[in-house]
Amino acid sequence: SAVISQKPSRDICQRGTSLTIQCQVDSQVTMMFWYRQQPGQSLTLIATANQGSEATYESGFVIDKFPISRPNLTFSTLTVSNMSPEDSSIYLCSVEEGQLNYGYTFGSGTRLTVV
Amino acid sequence: QKEVEQDPGPLSVPEGAIVSLNCTYSNSAFQYFMWYRQYSRKGPELLMYTYSSGNKEDGRFTAQVDKSSKYISLFIRDSQPSDSATYLCALRGSTLGRLYFGRGTQLTVWP
Repeated sequence: SAVISQKPSRDICQRGTSLTIQCQVDSQVTMMFWYRQQPGQSLTLIATANQGSEATYESGFVIDKFPISRPNLTFSTLTVSNMSPEDSSIYLCSVEEGQLNYGYTFGSGTRLTVV
Repeated sequence: QKEVEQDPGPLSVPEGAIVSLNCTYSNSAFQYFMWYRQYSRKGPELLMYTYSSGNKEDGRFTAQVDKSSKYISLFIRDSQPSDSATYLCALRGSTLGRLYFGRGTQLTVWP
């Protein structure tokens, strides 16, 4: 399985500031995904990031709030902009493992608290 | 109506018990069914996957899919304290489709 390193693991941020989360994969992957996991809720897909193209955002998520970069096949960043307490959540990046198991591998997540 | 429904629990059982975790879904287009396990402060890890209806066994874990009822289950036999985690079901319609997750069921197995 791919190994995903996600940084930072946690952060406490002030309202109105921005935080950039990094996701590094130990192998080249076509698609990377960013999820949000709020307490007691299911994982919600924020966007899909393909190398060399604009990220595709899910309903309810916009590029101005969650800009994503995907400069190469092993790296992506998600920025949470102009944060409010409602953005407090766990943010996870993931990659698709391929045909063998039809599943995704996840990073350990970034636990964000906005005060 | 949500795509995938899962009782969040919490579920607390003694060591050695048989655990049954379940999800229901509404979209008959789902073909791939997965269970993820998530330990505290960790990302979800793929535990089991099943294509279409039927059973799949892996050690103490059995995944069961009933497409006619739109119902999937994960059974854990001889549960261990190390099984204490949140279990999430995940479904997708095709190998290129996105995953739809349940809310997760928090399981505690006490010694």
